[in-house]
Amino acid sequence: GAVVSQHPSWVICKSGTSVKIECRSLDFQATTMFWYRQFPKQSLMLMATSNEGSKATYEQGVEKDKFLINHASLTLSTLTVTSAHPEDSSFYICSADLTTSGRNEQFFGPGTRLTVL
Amino acid sequence: DAKTTQPPSMDCAEGRAANLPCNHSTISGNEYVYWYRQIHSQGPQYIIHGLKNNETNEMASLIITEDRKSSTLILPHATLRDTAVYYCIVRVPSSGSARQLTFGSGTQLTVLP
Repeated sequence: GAVVSQHPSWVICKSGTSVKIECRSLDFQATTMFWYRQFPKQSLMLMATSNEGSKATYEQGVEKDKFLINHASLTLSTLTVTSAHPEDSSFYICSADLTTSGRNEQFFGPGTRLTVL
Repeated sequence: DAKTTQPPSMDCAEGRAANLPCNHSTISGNEYVYWYRQIHSQGPQYIIHGLKNNETNEMASLIITEDRKSSTLILPHATLRDTAVYYCIVRVPSSGSARQLTFGSGTQLTVLP
């Protein structure tokens, strides 16, 4: 199947700093990528939809000025958590959408564990 | 997307079949049933999907009832590595930004040695 990578796999930062997370589709092009957030013992919650060459679409309650998304190429989307605070500590997961032969699947990255001290 | 209901947890003995149920009584005619799983601290993994016919692949089988109001994911010979949270998602596989997945709480499957 198609492969999606994320970098870094984990990061620890101080409160007030910014953290960038990369999501790459390794063997296919993805015009649309999705960013999810998962708190401990909870399910994945969609944060935003990232579209190549255009502005991201954010879910209700997600601050677009705090979670900056850039999808500058067909294989890379980045999520920047600006002025991170301890409550932003979470597991961030991206996915990329692939449609081949009429079948649509989403492939997920391995996730990035963010801990804000 | 239609709402799904899954039991919060299940146990299964290693080597036995694991049968994970999902209710989706409000499913509409053009919605597919998708199954994903998430092993602890990893991203979700696609397992299988179907519309109305039973489906089988190298990972699992999907049995959908005739009225399509429920389905069962079957792992024929569960191993310890199958311990994960299993998500049943009902959606229309469409183009554009509507392709996002809505995850419920899923079923925590624990395979016991």
